[in-house]
Amino acid sequence: GENVEQHPSTLSVQEGDSAVIKCTYSDSASNYFPWYKQELGKRPQLIIDIRSNVGEKKDQRIAVTLNKTAKHFSLHITETQPEDSAVYFCAAHTSNTGKLIFGQGTTLQVKP
Amino acid sequence: ETGVTQTPRHLVMGMTNKKSLKCEQHLGHNAMYWYKQSAKKPLELMFVYNFKEQTENNSVPSRFSPECPNSSHLFLHLHTLQPEDSALYLCASSPSGEETQYFGPGTRLLVL
Repeated sequence: GENVEQHPSTLSVQEGDSAVIKCTYSDSASNYFPWYKQELGKRPQLIIDIRSNVGEKKDQRIAVTLNKTAKHFSLHITETQPEDSAVYFCAAHTSNTGKLIFGQGTTLQVKP
Repeated sequence: ETGVTQTPRHLVMGMTNKKSLKCEQHLGHNAMYWYKQSAKKPLELMFVYNFKEQTENNSVPSRFSPECPNSSHLFLHLHTLQPEDSALYLCASSPSGEETQYFGPGTRLLVL
């Protein structure tokens, strides 16, 4: 079945450094890739997404890249701040099944 | 955020109890979802309702019973649960089975 692998499971960076989280997906029909941020005790919130007809998308300090051939996509956070500390989930959506399959999550810690 | 609300926020129940979780969305969406979030595991899709019709039952045990009386409300009825069912149960909605899903705050369930 569909599968999304996410790495690393934990990531610790110094404030101001960049953070990169990577995901691979198994279903080549996947066409939409959102990223969610979940702060401790709070709901997952969509922070950025990318569709299969685009290779890169940027929104201020966060960017997502997609390599359809290799079936992987990545989240890049630049100039990290302590408030970026959270669990980040990638996901892949396939229109023919209508399912959103989530990765295992990455716990990001930004040290001041 | 008040777009998707869930009650109760916390629930402790014994294995012989019967309880229900409630989700309500105020976004005018037509699709609603139940997810289970356990520690160290990815978000697990449980049920999907699209225009009040159940379109997905992801091999969930029968001790979980969903109900969707209208497009704005979703329930999860619980009975004879097991301790391993303890988790955060998240509700989400999307416009019409589309990719972008908006999550509620979740119900933290503890089964004793």
